[in-house]
Amino acid sequence: QKEVEQDPGPLSVPEGAIVSLNCTYSNSAFQYFMWYRQYSRKGPELLMYTYSSGNKEDGRFTAQVDKSSKYISLFIRDSQPSDSATYLCAMRVSGANSKLTFGKGITLSVRP
Amino acid sequence: GAGVSQTPSNKVTEKGKYVELRCDPISGHTALYWYRQSLGQGPEFLIYFQGTGAADDSGLPNDRFFAVRPEGSVSTLKIQRTERGDSAVYLCASSLITAAFSYNEQFFGPGTRLTVL
Repeated sequence: QKEVEQDPGPLSVPEGAIVSLNCTYSNSAFQYFMWYRQYSRKGPELLMYTYSSGNKEDGRFTAQVDKSSKYISLFIRDSQPSDSATYLCAMRVSGANSKLTFGKGITLSVRP
Repeated sequence: GAGVSQTPSNKVTEKGKYVELRCDPISGHTALYWYRQSLGQGPEFLIYFQGTGAADDSGLPNDRFFAVRPEGSVSTLKIQRTERGDSAVYLCASSLITAAFSYNEQFFGPGTRLTVL
């Protein structure tokens, strides 16, 4: 079993839909939880990060972390065709610098 | 300022050959990471440099893989006797090093797409 599991895709939604992306993990030492977006043939770019449990909102994006269930989510409201990309969850333990452990990613397509 | 750059963007080689992949981190970033992303998978950690030294090389799959960062800036990932299974996108990321228990974002380069025939 991998340390981080991400819901399989691909996912196709109409423009304006609410999108829910989810990951589960097994390592209770993870303290930082990130969502990255990756366009084709580009490197991942950070969307949001959360420290420990709780919610964080940034515009149309909301990240949720439930450490008791070892479950994280990213919600995208009013999805746009420009949101079409691969979304990767990533996690790491506490400490100023440490490696990221990624989920396998899910490809989202938002239809106009 | 410029982001993380990686060269070459694409590399095609034959099984058994030696390859070098280069990463130029963001200026001033002391931490540098290498990841490998296979098709349809998320990036997997290979090695982390803090300055010139490898602080964590636990992700290197075997002794055919080696990385250096002699002056604490540019890094080179070296793969000997390449195998078809080494085909992947090799990503480099860099970050600042600040106080312990603070969050330091890793900024990724575009990657080098390695194909071993």
